[in-house]
This record gives sequence, C-alpha cells and structure tokens, in this order.
Amino acid sequence: DQQVKQNSPSLSVQEGRISILNCDYTNSMFDYFLWYKKYPAEGPTFLISISSIKDKNEDGRFTVFLNKSAKHLSLHIVPSQPGDSAVYFCAASALRTDKLIFGTGTRLQVFP
Amino acid sequence: DTGVSQDPRHKITKRGQNVTFRCDPISEHNRLYWYRQTLGQGPEFLTYFQNEAQLEKSRLLSDRFSAERPKGSFSTLEIQRTEQGDSAMYLCASSRDGSDNEQFFGPGTRLTVL
Repeated sequence: DQQVKQNSPSLSVQEGRISILNCDYTNSMFDYFLWYKKYPAEGPTFLISISSIKDKNEDGRFTVFLNKSAKHLSLHIVPSQPGDSAVYFCAASALRTDKLIFGTGTRLQVFP
Repeated sequence: DTGVSQDPRHKITKRGQNVTFRCDPISEHNRLYWYRQTLGQGPEFLTYFQNEAQLEKSRLLSDRFSAERPKGSFSTLEIQRTEQGDSAMYLCASSRDGSDNEQFFGPGTRLTVL
C-alpha cells in the first residue's frame, strides 16, 4: 500500500510563475514531512520540511503547507526558475521511527 | 567535501554473484540509512543504524541482504546471490540526533544485474 502519494507524475510551469506540487498521505501517525529534489544521477537533496504541529513553513522561494484534516501537503515554489526543473519527492516519517516513506515523485519542468 | 559518499557509483554484475557497497556518512552524523530506488518509484527504506546498532530492517531486506556499520562510521551493504530484480539504485543517507529527521543522501550506487 502506498502511504504517501504524489498523483501528478509531471508538471510544466513557465518561468516566473508559481509551481504547486501536491502530496497526500494515509497514515495518521506521520508527524514530520519533508520535500526532496532530485536531479538525474544524483541523490535526493533536502529542500524543506514541516512538523505536524505547524500548517506552514517558508524558506525563501519555497513554502510547504500542511492540511492535517485532509492528510494533504503541498510545496509552492515562487517564482519558478529553470534550475528548479527536477523530480520532487514528498516524504513522511512517523512518531518514534526514523525511516522516511517516499512518494513516487513529480517531475517539474520550468520553461522560459 | 563533507557530504555523504558512496562507492562504487556503478556496479554491473552477473546473476548469482555477490556485491558489496560502501557508504561514508557525514562525519558528525550518528544515524545511517539505506534505501533502494527503482525506476519510477521513490526511495524505499531498507535498514537503519544508530551508531553501530542496526535498529530496523525492512521486510524488503531478504536474507540475501546484509548491512553492517562496525565502528559506527562507514557502512557496507552486501547482496549475496544477486538476482535481476536486485537491479536498482542503492542510496545511503545520514542524519544526526535532534535534526528533525533531515536525512542527507549520497549520490547512490547503481546496480545492474545481468
């Protein structure tokens, strides 16, 4: 069973506009959520995270929103830049465990 | 460079052979993780060490897989009697206590079993 789901395999956005990547989860025990970016032939790179006690966390152009009642989180990138083109993974971890459960990823393409 | 390093970056082997991968975590990180990623999927958890203690193993980790972290520093992942289904990217990550589980990943070892 897929506990973390990213239903959009790809997203194409024009440079300067907002990119919104979505993620849904099913396990109510998850208490920490992270977004990673991955370029080809590289390992995932940590972007931003959010604890379940918050509903928003912002870091520069990146903002993550968490809606616990809907078991949904989203990553907003604004303004989008061509260098943001990569695969983005949503991940979650549960109380007292450290393993990360990843979604299947969304490929973001930012075009000029 | 003080990031997570993995060796080798690529490994091609024949079915039935044994392979071993190495991971060197960030030096002050006491937690070390192994994940496996196949095409079109996100990384899947395999196992996790805190210092030298292996605290959790996924059911994905069959008895052909073994991982060690003998001195709480680098780790090795061995796959015995490789099968074609073992072909994947093997990722290592590390983190430190109190880091809110922000795991830093290495570049991975891509295994191809012929």
